[in-house]
Amino acid sequence: GDSVTQMQGQVTLSEDDFLFINCTYSTTWYPTLFWYVQYPGEGPQLLLKVTTANNKGISRGFEATYDKGTTSFHLQKASVQESDSAVYYCVLGGGADTNTGKLTFGDGTVLTVKP
Amino acid sequence: NAGVIQTPRHKVTGKGQEATLWCEPISGHSAVFWYRQTIVQGLEFLTYFRNQAPIDDSGMPKERFSAQMPNQSHSTLKIQSTQPQDSAVYLCASSLVSSQNTLYFGAGTRLSVL
Repeated sequence: GDSVTQMQGQVTLSEDDFLFINCTYSTTWYPTLFWYVQYPGEGPQLLLKVTTANNKGISRGFEATYDKGTTSFHLQKASVQESDSAVYYCVLGGGADTNTGKLTFGDGTVLTVKP
Repeated sequence: NAGVIQTPRHKVTGKGQEATLWCEPISGHSAVFWYRQTIVQGLEFLTYFRNQAPIDDSGMPKERFSAQMPNQSHSTLKIQSTQPQDSAVYLCASSLVSSQNTLYFGAGTRLSVL
């Protein structure tokens, strides 16, 4: 079945540092890849969506692309702020489960940004 | 738009009791999803409705768990004979059609089974 593996469980940075989080995915179909972000006490919310390999998704200063050859998907931001502290999920959709609606979530990366 | 509304926000039950969790999706959204979130397992898909019809319940434990969507404005997740391992945050989400579209999550119901 479909699967997602997030490499970093926890990332600690200082303000204005560069952020790079990556994950790998596995599916036999044409994937749509998402990054969702979750703040304490809230449900996950969409940060970025990328439907085509090597195309770039951009939102709120974050960028994401995925590489079909290496089946990797990454999220980056040039300069993080304390308010970016949250849990970031790499999410696979549009795979074999396109018609079922099931998204496959990675384990999440806890980002802590120190002032 | 108030977003996806889940009630209650917190529920405490004794072992063996029944728990019913409620979800009001965003008006106009035809797809409703239930997920469970725990520290150990992360976010797990439970079930999915489209236009009120159950489409995929492959993530639902076969015993004790059931979900319904009697009308387009609400869905319920019922857990019978709750067990301590059912303790989790249960998240409801809605979207326009399917997982290709953005899922909008509610804040969740934290269920604690004592």
